[in-house]
Amino acid sequence: KQEVTQIPAALSVPEGENLVLNCSFTDSAIYNLQWFRQDHGKGLTSLLLIQSSQREQTSGRLNASLDKSSGRSTLYIAASQPGDSATYLCAPLANDYKLSFGAGTTVTVRA
Amino acid sequence: GAVVSQHPSRVICKSGTSVKIECRSLDFQATTMFWYRQFPKQSLMLMATSNEGSKATYEQGVEKDKFLINHASLTLSTLTVTSAHPEDSSFYICSARFTGGNQETQYFGPGTRLLVL
Repeated sequence: KQEVTQIPAALSVPEGENLVLNCSFTDSAIYNLQWFRQDHGKGLTSLLLIQSSQREQTSGRLNASLDKSSGRSTLYIAASQPGDSATYLCAPLANDYKLSFGAGTTVTVRA
Repeated sequence: GAVVSQHPSRVICKSGTSVKIECRSLDFQATTMFWYRQFPKQSLMLMATSNEGSKATYEQGVEKDKFLINHASLTLSTLTVTSAHPEDSSFYICSARFTGGNQETQYFGPGTRLLVL
């Protein structure tokens, strides 16, 4: 059973700082890995999807890396803004097409 | 990205009643949909996989007779919480599997918050 751990559980930074969110997973036999954003009480928004053969993926201020063999992924958010305040979820996709989720990192960006 | 809707967004019911939640993929066909449950400050837990035209497959520990799933069309899956009790109060989220253009991902609905009194 895939176990996903996200560190830190919570993060509070002033606006403009860069953010580093870590994710580790126990089973490296994954199809891909996604990072999602969840606003409080809302559904999930996909941010980045990294294929198992890729090392990183970028979209705007977001960059995600993947080290499949060691079971790690990192999400970088550059020049954080108050609108980035949310919970960020890491979810590797197994070869049976099921997603496993970490508990998330709750980010607060102070203006 | 693709759009998945859920209805209702919020429901309050009395203990012992049944509640139906709908999940619709609005702009693509989904032969597979997933149902998740999320308790406060916890991660999403997969409950079951909904397959169009066949029986749903349930994760270990999820009662299939309590959480009835029907996937009658390529754009609609329903989850019925039967004889709901306060411990069933949770945030239920569905997703639809998308496999177009060599892409393998899931698009998520906005969730349904269930409160059982």
